[in-house]
Amino acid sequence: GENVEQHPSTLSVQEGDSAVIKCTYSDSASNYFPWYKQELGKRPQLIIDIRSNVGEKKDQRIAVTLNKTAKHFSLHITETQPEDSAVYFCAASTGGFKTIFGAGTRLFVKA
Amino acid sequence: GAVVSQHPSWVICKSGTSVKIECRSLDFQATTMFWYRQFPKQSLMLMATSNEGSKATYEQGVEKDKFLINHASLTLSTLTVTSAHPEDSSFYICSARHTLGGGYTFGSGTRLTVV
Repeated sequence: GENVEQHPSTLSVQEGDSAVIKCTYSDSASNYFPWYKQELGKRPQLIIDIRSNVGEKKDQRIAVTLNKTAKHFSLHITETQPEDSAVYFCAASTGGFKTIFGAGTRLFVKA
Repeated sequence: GAVVSQHPSWVICKSGTSVKIECRSLDFQATTMFWYRQFPKQSLMLMATSNEGSKATYEQGVEKDKFLINHASLTLSTLTVTSAHPEDSSFYICSARHTLGGGYTFGSGTRLTVV
C-alpha cells in the first residue's frame, strides 16, 4: 500500500542554523505534498505545501522541494528559532483522497 | 476560512461505554472527512474516510463495528467508539479537504481516556 517515509525522527539544531527534513513516498499518483507542524497536544497546522507541477516553493524561512522522479520531497527551515521546536509531519495525497503521513520529526532548536 | 470544529476536546469514559466525537466544517462543505488516531509520540494513522451520504471506507485493521462513522450532512461527521477499552485511549482527530486551495484542515482533536 501507500507509504511515506520520513527522516530523521529527531533533529536538534542550534538557533540560527538550518534544519532539513526529508521524505519519500511510494505512490506515484501522489500529487499534493503538505507539511504540518504539531505542538504538544495540539492539532497539526499546515505550514507549507507543494503540488506535483512545481519543483520548489518558498515562504519566508520555510521552503519545500520536490523531486517527482525520485519521489523525494524535503522541508528546509532557515534561521531556526526556539519557537520552531515541534513535531513536523510530511504527507502525500492523491487529488483530494486520503492523505498518508510520515512518522514525524521532532525538531529541537536550542537557544 | 476553512475551520473544522471538533468536540469534545477531551473525554474520560469507563470501559464498555461508547463515546461520540463530532467534527463540523463551519464555513465550507466537506463531502469527505478523514478520521485519524494518534498515539503518544507517533504519527497520525488514518482510520477511515467518511463520505457524505454513503458508507465510510475503513483502513485495513480498523474495526468498522467498533468505530462507527456517520456523515449525514455536508458539514458534520461523527465517530463513535463503541464498547471502549483502555487500549482505545488515544488522540482522535478529523480533517476535511476544503475546496479553496485543496488543502486539508484539521479539527482540534479529542483526547480519549478509557478507564
